[in-house]
Amino acid sequence: AQSVSQHNHHVILSEAASLELGCNYSYGGTVNLFWYVQYPGQHLQLLLKYFSGDPLVKGIKGFEAEFIKSKFSFNLRKPSVQWSDTAEYFCASTYSGAGSYQLTFGKGTKLSVIP
Amino acid sequence: EAQVTQNPRYLITVTGKKLTVTCSQNMNHEYMSWYRQDPGLGLRQIYYSMNVEVTDKGDVPEGYKVSRKEKRNFPLILESPSPNQTSLYFCASRLLSGGEGETQYFGPGTRLLVL
Repeated sequence: AQSVSQHNHHVILSEAASLELGCNYSYGGTVNLFWYVQYPGQHLQLLLKYFSGDPLVKGIKGFEAEFIKSKFSFNLRKPSVQWSDTAEYFCASTYSGAGSYQLTFGKGTKLSVIP
Repeated sequence: EAQVTQNPRYLITVTGKKLTVTCSQNMNHEYMSWYRQDPGLGLRQIYYSMNVEVTDKGDVPEGYKVSRKEKRNFPLILESPSPNQTSLYFCASRLLSGGEGETQYFGPGTRLLVL
């Protein structure tokens, strides 16, 4: 079964610091990868996704992620975080196999940005 | 406005008292799904449905039922709730036509407390 691992449980940064959140997936076949964000008390929103093409994906709010197939990774980055980026971030995947559309989530990384 | 709605948003109940959480989407999506979110565990899929009258188990189906009698609605039923079902529940939907890379859209969540 596929799985998604997020390296950090809680990350604390000061405003203007650079951000990189790690994500690794286990499936060796064709995968589709997503980053979702959950602001406090809100539902999940899609930040960005990769399913083919350019491995460097740009999303909303200045976020980007790079798909590195050889490392089974899809790390999320932002060059300069703001207090409003305080949220929980989830990496997720689906994989191309047997018509499965299940979205498998990592356990999430809580980001706290200090003004 | 395209959206997934859930009701109720907050629910406190007692062990054994049957309850239903409703989910509705207005995007004509074939695929609908229920997740539960628990601290440190991320989101785990409970049940999903590929279309009307087609449902299947996710990773944590025990203690839950679903039905899909209409395309837009996908209620989650707890016949005899127990305290370990205290959680935050999300409904989601997506198109099937785009393949595994299609985005899932999430509802606002239902916070359930079982005493």
